[in-house]
Amino acid sequence: DSGVTQTPKHLITATGQRVTLRCSPRSGDLSVYWYQQSLDQGLQFLIQYYNGEERAKGNILERFSAQQFPDLHSELNLSSLELGDSALYFCASSVAFEYEQYFGPGTRLTVT
Amino acid sequence: TQLLEQSPQFLSIQEGENLTVYCNSSSVFSSLQWYRQEPGEGPVLLVTVVTGGEVKKLKRLTFQFGDARKDSSLHITAAQPGDTGLYLCAGVHTGANSKLTFGKGITLSVRP
Repeated sequence: DSGVTQTPKHLITATGQRVTLRCSPRSGDLSVYWYQQSLDQGLQFLIQYYNGEERAKGNILERFSAQQFPDLHSELNLSSLELGDSALYFCASSVAFEYEQYFGPGTRLTVT
Repeated sequence: TQLLEQSPQFLSIQEGENLTVYCNSSSVFSSLQWYRQEPGEGPVLLVTVVTGGEVKKLKRLTFQFGDARKDSSLHITAAQPGDTGLYLCAGVHTGANSKLTFGKGITLSVRP
């Protein structure tokens, strides 16, 4: 158990819909990272937050957005969902900017 | 463009065999990490190598960082069924706030 929690574990929704994925970092960690994992693309970095502020952006689509709240939990919002958005979404956390990130168990999103 | 190429993509071996897998890039990284991911779970950090030529051992696993810090290898001695999983390498970019670039992974199956 990494100490990072993610909800829900599974999510099935239809194209065009919007969903919110939630992540709680390890106690004491200020940085949160979001990743998307698919069979063809592997694990792709989406976005990083540090203490409530956006810190780095990766391959995140404009239809996706995220935020980190004062209690340090984070949410990833996915809108206008397409079939290709079906993937595992992972959250990771670290104390600050160290490269040792701890991953949560992931949310499996299926878009039908 | 996949910055980190892992090979082989799939490997199925008998318990007790030795194996070596590779992670290659044309880019230089400040450090490189190896993760293992089991089905339904998030990646778990195994090791971080920082110095060119560095060798680190974790029980039966030996990790080496290339002299030019562009590639890495993972050698497993006397593989066990518990070694089964997806092995991911991730490069840390210099000065990029710990942004990780992942390879697509190597799926290892160790048969009893």
